[in-house]
Amino acid sequence: GAGVSQSPRYKVAKRGQDVALRCDPISGHVSLFWYQQALGQGPEFLTYFQNEAQLDKSGLPSDRFFAERPEGSVSTLKIQRTQQEDSAVYLCASSLERGVAATQYFGPGTRLTVL
Amino acid sequence: AQTVTQSQPEMSVQEAETVTLSCTYDTSENNYYLFWYKQPPSRQMILVIRQEAYKQQNATENRFSVNFQKAAKSFSLKISDSQLGDTAMYFCAFTLYNAGNMLTFGGGTRLMVKP
Repeated sequence: GAGVSQSPRYKVAKRGQDVALRCDPISGHVSLFWYQQALGQGPEFLTYFQNEAQLDKSGLPSDRFFAERPEGSVSTLKIQRTQQEDSAVYLCASSLERGVAATQYFGPGTRLTVL
Repeated sequence: AQTVTQSQPEMSVQEAETVTLSCTYDTSENNYYLFWYKQPPSRQMILVIRQEAYKQQNATENRFSVNFQKAAKSFSLKISDSQLGDTAMYFCAFTLYNAGNMLTFGGGTRLMVKP
């Protein structure tokens, strides 16, 4: 079946613009995660949903970052008033189970460049 | 807070030979899971292997095996019979038993398999 998809794959924004990044998880997957991966580094956790409930947003770097998953499937990560330090690849992952350490399946990521 | 350290930024290996990637982690918790993820140049992160901390037996998946040393907080990945398709970034990752599955990643090791 289809894997996790993300759109757009590439986004260039001028500093100060708002952006919205979309994640389509694998159908039926309960959990959804967002990670931020700076160039040459490992991904860092941003936020986590179980169905439509945002259970952990401790990794969001500022109040300019906002994520939602209103119907428990598609999720959107929104960044307001983008800054150059927001330039990174944003990865989405989903997992089927609620259980501990369920395997996370990653999307291809959205590369955001803020000029 | 948990940390994951990968001390080898880059490694190379000849095709068909064996290579070991290192990972150490720091936690005061006793129940956790460890993972190795592979990220090819296309950037889609793929799970390679996982280890439950309560299991003494080292996990194996075909050509991939781990050496899990809980007391030393070490979790290395051995790739046997290296193939050109193994060329990728490899990330060691950690999750606590009750952390909602959020992953903490190391900084990665870039592996190049040479023909």
